Parts: sequence; C-alpha cells; structure tokens
Amino acid sequence: AQSVTQLGSHVSVSEGALVLLRCNYSSSVPPYLFWYVQYPNQGLQLLLKYTSAATLVKGINGFEAEFKKSETSFHLTKPSAHMSDAAEYFCAVSDKLRGSGSRLTFGEGTQLTVNP
Amino acid sequence: ETGVTQSPTHLIKTRGQQVTLRCSSQSGHNTVSWYQQALGQGPQFIFQYYREEENGRGNFPPRFSGLQFPNYSSELNVNALELDDSALYLCASSPGTSGNNEQFFGPGTRLTVL
Repeated sequence: AQSVTQLGSHVSVSEGALVLLRCNYSSSVPPYLFWYVQYPNQGLQLLLKYTSAATLVKGINGFEAEFKKSETSFHLTKPSAHMSDAAEYFCAVSDKLRGSGSRLTFGEGTQLTVNP
Repeated sequence: ETGVTQSPTHLIKTRGQQVTLRCSSQSGHNTVSWYQQALGQGPQFIFQYYREEENGRGNFPPRFSGLQFPNYSSELNVNALELDDSALYLCASSPGTSGNNEQFFGPGTRLTVL
C-alpha cells in the first residue's frame, strides 16, 4: 500500500513569509499525489494534484508543489503567506483498490498558523 | 452546479445505537467514497461505491455498511456505536474510479457518541 508522511504537525509563519509544508510519499509505482486544505468545521478542498504530467504543479490561492522522484517528495509552497491561509493541510496519495477503484490515503496533516 | 451535500450536520448518539448518514453526490459523479476523520488526524478510507456496488473497503468492521442509490446518492450506516466512532464523517464524490480523479468532499457530519 502507498503512504504519505507529513513532516511537522504544526508550522507557524509570519504574514508575507514563505510557506513550506513537507510531504514525502512511499509508492512502488508512479503516484498520483494531492494536497487538500481544510478550514475549521469544513470539508476538504483540493489545492492541487500531480498526475505525472509537469513536475511543478500550480494550484489555487497561489500554492504550488514540486514532484521530486529522487527525493520521493511533494512539498507544498507559497511565496507569501496571507492570514486567510491559516488552516489544516493534508497531503494524500491515490491508492488502488482491488478491482477498478482507488482511494485516497492521507497524511496526518499540518496545521498552518499565520502570524500578523 | 450543486456540490456534495451531507446530512445531518451534527449528530449525538449513545453507545450501542445505530446511525445513518446521508450524502448527495455532485451532479454527474457516479462514485462515492466515505472517510472517517478522528480529531487531530487525517481522514481514513471506509469504503467506496461505484454504480450502486461496493468497490472497495478500508480497515473498518462490518458494522460499518453503506448503500448507493440509482441517483448516486449514498448512505453510511453504523451499527452498535462505540465511543471511538466519534468523528467527522466525510463523503466525497468523483466522476469515476480512476486514481487521478479529484474527489470532491462534502462538509461532513460530526458524530458524537456518548
């Protein structure tokens, strides 16, 4: 089974600073990777996904992530943090089910705090 | 276009009771997945339904069961509730079962078991 590990359960940055959230994956085949964001008391919203096209993936709200096979990483970055970026961020890998299905396997999440 | 909706928003039950959670998938989506998110953790896959058939299951006991209807809406049923079942239950729909499909999540149902 494939898995992801998020390094750092809490990250704190100042407004305007670089955001870097780390995700490493474990997969025996080329993976499909996702970053989701969750605001308090809400569901998950897709930020971006990697599906084996370009290794640098641009998402919504100014976020991007780079797939690095040599490092088995898919870190999420944003050049300048905004107060509205404060939320929980989840990295996920798509894992095949028996038959035709697939499921998402999530990391434990990283809580991002943005300080004024 | 209506997104994924779930009902109820919140639910309080006692140990041993049974609960049914409901999910309406996004228009055009034939695949529904259910996830359990305990406090402070990432979502855990429960099962997936595709065209009214269970298409795969995570590491959850049989007292977690589900249904998908012809309009692709879905139910999650949990029997003999335990305290550890307290969690946010998320439903996600997608336009197929392929791994590169985005799964669109609903707002979740917060279940508290006392």
